[in-house]
Amino acid sequence: DAKTTQPPSMDCAEGRAANLPCNHSTISGNEYVYWYRQIHSQGPQYIIHGLKNNETNEMASLIITEDRKSSTLILPHATLRDTAVYYCIVRVANNQGGKLIFGQGTELSVKP
Amino acid sequence: EPEVTQTPSHQVTQMGQEVILRCVPISNHLYFYWYRQILGQKVEFLVSFYNNEISEKSEIFDDQFSVERPDGSNFTLKIRSTKLEDSAMYFCASSETSGGNSEQYFGPGTRLTVT
Repeated sequence: DAKTTQPPSMDCAEGRAANLPCNHSTISGNEYVYWYRQIHSQGPQYIIHGLKNNETNEMASLIITEDRKSSTLILPHATLRDTAVYYCIVRVANNQGGKLIFGQGTELSVKP
Repeated sequence: EPEVTQTPSHQVTQMGQEVILRCVPISNHLYFYWYRQILGQKVEFLVSFYNNEISEKSEIFDDQFSVERPDGSNFTLKIRSTKLEDSAMYFCASSETSGGNSEQYFGPGTRLTVT
């Protein structure tokens, strides 16, 4: 089962920042936090991942709390094309098989 | 930008028939995966594959499923005798390593419809 908790849905106004929360209170020291998104029935798209430090790339920023029990994905200027289901996934660093365990995710609706 | 490709995009088959779903992972990646998503449900892990061997498989991946890397570029999922409940989107993914610090990249999926 997924080790994360996310709100089932969120709305965001176009052009505003979208802040998607995730709780992972049982995360272990060697587990990474990953974010993916899925638009309609397309393949999941990798967004960003991190271990302890905050991370930023061209798509988003990832803020991880100091105790690592929660994180927030930030889309700085949401567009209509960012409407998707966003998945927060905890992944073991030395996972033999490397599998991703998806939960239900957060359905983000970006509105004009 | 390198990407994972999958063929066909849509496969319709009759119950009991064999199907082969094909994937071309990103060229320098060494770890390969299959996932499936039944309509309206979560994405589920099926199997991971490295060095011509299965690394890990889920309970879903029973004897009717098999995977193969027949050449240096393709990675296939075979379902021997399809059932109605095999109808789903099947996603292939690949990564450079299997470690937690190695992101997986997914293909666009094959929609399998079993009638």
